Amino acid sequence: AQSVTQPDIHITVSEGASLELRCNYSYGATPYLFWYVQSPGQGLQLLLKYFSGDTLVQGIKGFEAEFKRSQSSFNLRKPSVHWSDAAEYFCAAAEGGGNKLTFGTGTQLKVEL
Amino acid sequence: NAGVMQNPRHLVRRRGQEARLRCSPMKGHSHVYWYRQLPEEGLKFMVYLQKENIIDESGMPKERFSAEFPKEGPSILRIQQVVRGDSAAYFCASSLTSGGTDTQYFGPGTRLTVL
Repeated sequence: AQSVTQPDIHITVSEGASLELRCNYSYGATPYLFWYVQSPGQGLQLLLKYFSGDTLVQGIKGFEAEFKRSQSSFNLRKPSVHWSDAAEYFCAAAEGGGNKLTFGTGTQLKVEL
Repeated sequence: NAGVMQNPRHLVRRRGQEARLRCSPMKGHSHVYWYRQLPEEGLKFMVYLQKENIIDESGMPKERFSAEFPKEGPSILRIQQVVRGDSAAYFCASSLTSGGTDTQYFGPGTRLTVL
């Protein structure tokens, strides 16, 4: 079955430190891949997306993600975290050409000042 | 340009009552998706609609749940005879086209509590 896995439920980093959030997918073919961020009581905001081409994708708010086919991964990174980045982050996938998103269970990011 | 709007933001129902959740897509968007987020879980796809048509309802429970997106007005997710297990956050998203590359924009969600 198609699935998206986010192995880390909670991550805590210090402000200014680098960040990497992990995401693995299990699909027959390479799906479309997305990262969303959800602040408390808010909807989800798209950070970035990957369909094909360059495997390093730049997004909003200084985030980037790298697609690695050999590892079935699409990890999210940020070189220097700000306190305002504290939120829940969701990785999602959709079968190529499809529009039904499958989400991971999310990673809650806490930023220590 | 207003984003996706959902109302109510919070809804409390007693077991056996009906819940109606509304979603107004972004201006110009004619594709609407409903997702459910149970506590401590990710979002799960429920249904995809275009104006007056249900395109994919593979994630909808077989009973008590229905959705519509009429020619005029918001999309409605209806849950009849609610049970405690229906307590969740329900998110609506909209997109401009049906293509998988098109971004889905999410609303703030409706948090349903069933007493």
